[in-house]
Amino acid sequence: EAQVTQNPRYLITVTGKKLTVTCSQNMNHEYMSWYRQDPGLGLRQIYYSMNVEVTDKGDVPEGYKVSRKEKRNFPLILESPSPNQTSLYFCASSSDRNTGELFFGEGSRLTVL
Amino acid sequence: GNSVTQMEGPVTLSEEAFLTINCTYTATGYPSLFWYVQYPGEGLQLLLKATKADDKGSNKGFEATYRKETTSFHLEKGSVQVSDSAVYFCALSSRGGGNKLTFGTGTQLKVEL
Repeated sequence: EAQVTQNPRYLITVTGKKLTVTCSQNMNHEYMSWYRQDPGLGLRQIYYSMNVEVTDKGDVPEGYKVSRKEKRNFPLILESPSPNQTSLYFCASSSDRNTGELFFGEGSRLTVL
Repeated sequence: GNSVTQMEGPVTLSEEAFLTINCTYTATGYPSLFWYVQYPGEGLQLLLKATKADDKGSNKGFEATYRKETTSFHLEKGSVQVSDSAVYFCALSSRGGGNKLTFGTGTQLKVEL
């Protein structure tokens, strides 16, 4: 089954404790990205990757890092989480760089105390 | 910059009622337009898209027409079902902007028996 898998689905953590949200897709997609969803703001792009070892900032990259060492994986790293990073995070992938047709994971709800 | 404005929700309808969810956009050039749907506890799924003026996207009984003169992409369905209850997001991607989507804030639809 074609899917984008995120882990963990739910996490409560404390300010400053480094964490990683993993994302893996089994569709051999070149393009992957991370979004955060906040009430009243819709989804905003954090980072994206066109291919292995190619990453770039989206609209709200502050406080986040990513890496793309393998085609299937695109982890999101919060080096020192803060309460304003409490959000619902979605990973997405696409077979094409320009269609806007994204496959989304089920989301990871992160709470930073 | 690009922006998408959707009608506020929640929208509550009886089964078999007609649905319209309004969406207007601001963008330079000729963007592609999308509707994504998010069912409870799940990630977003592409519902339909249109890539140029006067195009009509359709899927699962839903339709939306790309209206350049009114910068709109309203979502319609002739007869909604309880299973259509979800949050609907209007989005755009700029031509040449890759897969970066600008999302509206989402409209929650509740369909009751």
